Amino acid sequence: DAGVIQSPRHEVTEMGQEVTLRCKPISGHDYLFWYRQTMMRGLELLIYFNNNVPIDDSGMPEDRFSAKMPNASFSTLKIQPSEPRDSAVYFCASSLGGGHAEAFFGQGTRLTVV
Amino acid sequence: GNSVTQMEGPVTLSEEAFLTINCTYTATGYPSLFWYVQYPGEGLQLLLKATKADDKGSNKGFEATYRKETTSFHLEKGSVQVSDSAVYFCALSPIQGAQKLVFGQGTRLTINP
Repeated sequence: DAGVIQSPRHEVTEMGQEVTLRCKPISGHDYLFWYRQTMMRGLELLIYFNNNVPIDDSGMPEDRFSAKMPNASFSTLKIQPSEPRDSAVYFCASSLGGGHAEAFFGQGTRLTVV
Repeated sequence: GNSVTQMEGPVTLSEEAFLTINCTYTATGYPSLFWYVQYPGEGLQLLLKATKADDKGSNKGFEATYRKETTSFHLEKGSVQVSDSAVYFCALSPIQGAQKLVFGQGTRLTINP
């Protein structure tokens, strides 16, 4: 398996624009997590899904952020409109069986909002 | 609530030195405990884990023992290499409730030749 695949690897956008980050989890995994990493706040869980259903979105910072998982092999994280403080590395991870199982991380998307 | 506290970084050592990175946790019940490592420009990857008290996780020369009495899971390695330079994250997964990892803030380790 190729692992968790995220795209794009790097994204530079202007403030106010819509940004969509994409994730393909490992085939067969039933949990998918979206994290954000910054120097100031470290690694934060934004939202996670189980069997394509959002379970906990309490980490989503504001209504500008939304996430979907239309099927077992694809998820998106959208920011609309984007702001400079959204600049961070966004990671997607997947696992088989939830938090007790090993989570496999993608290589991340580095987002810069100017 | 559930939380993880790691020793402050950054940590800089010479090659072949002994490494300890402290990690303590707060949780209800007995969570599973993990160490993840992040190499430059990459995502996190699992280094080792322990699922019950007194378990020892080990991998690539790293070890950590699940200590219930001190609520700790310190990472150790007897002789570090330059290639161990990375950011290390301690994490827990609660035994009940939400199936999500709770991460510490990470410790940046630099090994000089």
